[in-house]
Amino acid sequence: DAGVTQSPTHLIKTRGQQVTLRCSPKSGHDTVSWYQQALGQGPQFIFQYYEEEERQRGNFPDRFSGHQFPNYSSELNVNALLLGDSALYLCASSMRRALSYNEQFFGPGTRLTVL
Amino acid sequence: GENVEQHPSTLSVQEGDSAVIKCTYSDSASNYFPWYKQELGKRPQLIIDIRSNVGEKKDQRIAVTLNKTAKHFSLHITETQPEDSAVYFCAASPSPGGGNYQLIWGAGTKLIIKP
Repeated sequence: DAGVTQSPTHLIKTRGQQVTLRCSPKSGHDTVSWYQQALGQGPQFIFQYYEEEERQRGNFPDRFSGHQFPNYSSELNVNALLLGDSALYLCASSMRRALSYNEQFFGPGTRLTVL
Repeated sequence: GENVEQHPSTLSVQEGDSAVIKCTYSDSASNYFPWYKQELGKRPQLIIDIRSNVGEKKDQRIAVTLNKTAKHFSLHITETQPEDSAVYFCAASPSPGGGNYQLIWGAGTKLIIKP
C-alpha cells in the first residue's frame, strides 16, 4: 500500500518562471490538500481538492492554482515565481467520505528554490 | 474562524524527563486534534490524535489530553529520548458542517532533548 508520493523532490527555478508539482494520494484517499512550508515555519494551507474541484483556499494569490484528476492525483501550479515562493511544498491526502475525514497524511514534499 | 496557539516555541528537557506542549483553540465546534512530528527536512508525521468525544489518549510514551471546556489540548511525552528531538505541531479541525475540511495549525514547538 503506497503512501503519499510527490514529484519532483527538488526543483530550482528563476524568478518569473512557472512550476508544476505533482502529488499522488495514499491508496483509497480522495482528497488532496497542498501546503507551503517556509524554512522554520509551520505549514501554510494553500488549497484543497475533492471531486476534481477546489473546495477551500487559504490566503494565497491567484498565481497558485491546481488541479485534481479522476484518479485523485493532483497538481500544484505556481506562475510568475517570486523569490518568496522558495519553500517546501507538501501534499497531504485524506478520505473525505469517511469518519476519519480529517486525518491527513503527508508526502515527502518538493523543495522549490527560486533564484 | 478557528485559531490555534501553541506554547512553548522551544522546549529543552533532559533525556529521560517528560515534555509537555500545550495548544489552545478558539472554535468550540472543532472536533479533531492531531499532533505531528517533523524532523529536519522531512515530512510532518502524525504521531497521535484525539477526537472531541474523548478526554485522553495514550500510545506508549505519548499521550494527548483534551479539555473541551477550556478549549485546550496538550501533548505529553514521557521518558524522552534523543530521537524525540524534532518540531511538534498541533492542529485543530473545525466541524465540516460549513464545508470546512482543513486543518488549522499551531506555530510549532522545537523540542530539544539534552543528553
